[in-house]
Amino acid sequence: AQKVTQAQTEISVVEKEDVTLDCVYETRDTTYYLFWYKQPPSGELVFLIRRNSFDEQNEISGRYSWNFQKSTSSFNFTITASQVVDSAVYFCALSVMVGGSYIPTFGRGTSLIVHP
Amino acid sequence: KAGVTQTPRYLIKTRGQQVTLSCSPISGHRSVSWYQQTPGQGLQFLFEYFSETQRNKGNFPGRFSGRQFSNSRSEMNVSTLELGDSALYLCASSLEGNSGANVLTFGAGSRLTVL
Repeated sequence: AQKVTQAQTEISVVEKEDVTLDCVYETRDTTYYLFWYKQPPSGELVFLIRRNSFDEQNEISGRYSWNFQKSTSSFNFTITASQVVDSAVYFCALSVMVGGSYIPTFGRGTSLIVHP
Repeated sequence: KAGVTQTPRYLIKTRGQQVTLSCSPISGHRSVSWYQQTPGQGLQFLFEYFSETQRNKGNFPGRFSGRQFSNSRSEMNVSTLELGDSALYLCASSLEGNSGANVLTFGAGSRLTVL
């Protein structure tokens, strides 16, 4: 069975601090996809990044960066110089093939609160 | 272009009733998937539809059902509502099938309260 663990339930930082959100996943599949989504108070999840299991290249997008390490089954997300607008719940998700199609398993989410 | 639209946004029902939620995907998207979000269980996959066919279903009882129409719009139905069905129901669409591997565009959700 697949599992995604986001051990940090809530993180509170002050604006301009760097913050890392941890994601550890479990799967026996060799082909899978990893995602990060952001859920602002409005409710809809917003896509941030997708990685497939064969692409361990780290990525940077503006203030956001992601570190994918298969050796530790982790896909961590770092926000540099956090801003109040970054306050949201962030979900890590793992998708593996089940019965012919990919099914996502989400972590419980990390609530990030950025104080001005 | 318009995003994923879910209606109604909020609704209150009583135990034993049934409810139908609607989802209009982004134009051109053929895959629609549904998720239940609760404080206790988190975000869980309900089912996925592609070209009017259910491709997969999560671990939910038969009271949860859905369908997809030829214009890709989707509905989900929950019969004989229980208190534990209170949740935010999210719909997501993607361009192709295998939505779990694709980038999903989510709607704002339908918040169901069962009294």
